[in-house]
Amino acid sequence: GQNIDQPTEMTATEGAIVQINCTYQTSGFNGLFWYQQHAGEAPTFLSYNVLDGLEEKGRFSSFLSRSKGYSYLLLKELQMKDSASYLCAVSDSNYQLIWGAGTKLIIKP
Amino acid sequence: GAVVSQHPSRVICKSGTSVKIECRSLDFQATTMFWYRQFPKQSLMLMATSNEGSKATYEQGVEKDKFLINHASLTLSTLTVTSAHPEDSSFYICSARDGRENNEQFFGPGTRLTVL
Repeated sequence: GQNIDQPTEMTATEGAIVQINCTYQTSGFNGLFWYQQHAGEAPTFLSYNVLDGLEEKGRFSSFLSRSKGYSYLLLKELQMKDSASYLCAVSDSNYQLIWGAGTKLIIKP
Repeated sequence: GAVVSQHPSRVICKSGTSVKIECRSLDFQATTMFWYRQFPKQSLMLMATSNEGSKATYEQGVEKDKFLINHASLTLSTLTVTSAHPEDSSFYICSARDGRENNEQFFGPGTRLTVL
């Protein structure tokens, strides 16, 4: 079957760095997405990885290792507004997104 | 970036009535649109995949006669919840794919449905 695993909840301090991990097992792979979702709102796109390595975009970076079925989202210089759920999703062989359950990130002052 | 609109943003209806939700891609043509449902504190659940001009493909456990999907044009898909019941109360989100290389899905703002 297809499976995406990510931690349910994480807590971090304002100004610090946090890494959210995602492991996956899917039928085929056409890229991995990270989305941010604030409570009561739709997801917004953060990053896309299809090749191994690190993609950096401002305070956010995303890493992919296809051989390990592993990705992480790295958030630097955390701000209170970063408190949200972070969703990992993999595009499978049919280009359908398989979603993780999301990681709720709590930022404390 | 690509913009997807959804209407209405919030709807409250009586049990037994039908509710139509519209999803529009505003600045691109979406050959494929997706309808998701999200219950509180849960992840997105794909309900169906809609391709322009053809019948929608429903996920297992989703009643196609209850959740009617029409994708009449490259910019519009509609989801009609027929004979809504309180257990249908949820956050419904559409997304659209513009066929670009990374197959990114662009999400609408969502519709909060409350069935009394």
